[in-house]
Amino acid sequence: DTAVSQTPKYLVTQMGNDKSIKCEQNLGHDTMYWYKQDSKKFLKIMFSYNNKELIINETVPNRFSPKSPDKAHLNLHINSLELGDSAVYFCASSPIGYTGELFFGEGSRLTVL
Amino acid sequence: AQKVTQAQTEISVVEKEDVTLDCVYETRDTTYYLFWYKQPPSGELVFLIRRNSFDEQNEISGRYSWNFQKSTSSFNFTITASQVVDSAVYFCALSEVKSNTGKLIFGQGTTLQVKP
Repeated sequence: DTAVSQTPKYLVTQMGNDKSIKCEQNLGHDTMYWYKQDSKKFLKIMFSYNNKELIINETVPNRFSPKSPDKAHLNLHINSLELGDSAVYFCASSPIGYTGELFFGEGSRLTVL
Repeated sequence: AQKVTQAQTEISVVEKEDVTLDCVYETRDTTYYLFWYKQPPSGELVFLIRRNSFDEQNEISGRYSWNFQKSTSSFNFTITASQVVDSAVYFCALSEVKSNTGKLIFGQGTTLQVKP
């Protein structure tokens, strides 16, 4: 009965590969996010979608492509993976007209070898 | 520009000690929200508190208390009588209401270790 669920939780892959992380929320929220947490624990927003529309696109390489098939899902596809992409990726959601907290998934740890 | 600074990278205390985690923020907006999140060793991000810029009342929740001072742009977090289970990384974060995007700006995090 997880509110925000991400799959896979762990992902180990080789440089140059393409991989996807999926996120689903069952909270009925309109806005979803992807955050990246680097090895120093620093959390930074990557993307935000509001009802399938992209509203935030921080300075992220275009190898990263979010896709939102509906407002309950926000997937992250990464092409040509690099060592520096190794991180924990968190999906989150919030209701529209955001004034409250984000609801985070458990995170997906990506390791690029 | 928005910025959140948590100057304490790591803090180590012995169980039952009180500990305060500092958070200083920068924003040009008059309306904003401040948050604290906890990230235990298991890795998930746990929401602790939200405070809006017009509410400077301190808040207490069990052993946790928060001190918000607009004059010094600080939103500090105190754990009273710390316990081993409090060991985690704690993040302070800022959100501007004007942008209405829900974007959170996080501080660098403070790693708290509570030793038995």
